Amino acid sequence: SYELTQPPSVSVSPGQTARITCSGDKLGDRYVCWYQQKPGQSPVLVIYEDNKRPSGIPERFSVSRSGTTATLTISGTQPMDEADYYCQVWDSSTGVFGGGTKLTVL
Amino acid sequence: QVALRESGPAQVRPTQTLTLTCTFSGFSLKTKGMCVSWIRQPPGKALEWLARIDWDDDKYFSQSLKTRLTISKDTSKNQVVLRLTNMDPADTATYYCARLVRGENSNYFFYYMDVWGKGTTVTVSS
Repeated sequence: SYELTQPPSVSVSPGQTARITCSGDKLGDRYVCWYQQKPGQSPVLVIYEDNKRPSGIPERFSVSRSGTTATLTISGTQPMDEADYYCQVWDSSTGVFGGGTKLTVL
Repeated sequence: QVALRESGPAQVRPTQTLTLTCTFSGFSLKTKGMCVSWIRQPPGKALEWLARIDWDDDKYFSQSLKTRLTISKDTSKNQVVLRLTNMDPADTATYYCARLVRGENSNYFFYYMDVWGKGTTVTVSS
């Protein structure tokens, strides 16, 4: 089965740039979505179609790609960005989530 | 405004069948490109995608759970029903439904889950 790999945790100081990676076989051939989940809340879509932001998502969220890795970049990270982040793709019409990355802003 | 709400039992016994209902508003599953997905999250663990049903009644399931899952829709009631048979304590989780939208550009279709319900917590215990 298809798998996506994310680092379990990333730490960043307020105002700095956070980078969260997502790796998977042939990831370059797939559109990647990213979801943010704060404690006790439902996930929120932050990126779709590789690098599009839904209405209300700040411009500081962006995605870049290199080979089989997609990287969610949060520029000027704010304390409110502290959350779990999940990448997600579709493999033969079935959904696959990465294991999630806990972003700590300290 | 799009909204989804999950409903179902808070607790089921092992071997029982779980039936969850997603009631939604603000869109129709008769509309081309509209779909609903189910996702679950065990306590303290990652999201796990379960199933989806599309506007044209196509259905897709997690490979690891496909023998236990069914999904159906009632477009007149704006509801999607998920059933998971032979429940086990390992199925204890918060279950979410989400609107899944198909978009397209010049070359490809792409999908994204843009609105999620608040989730319903299910505990499997005897």
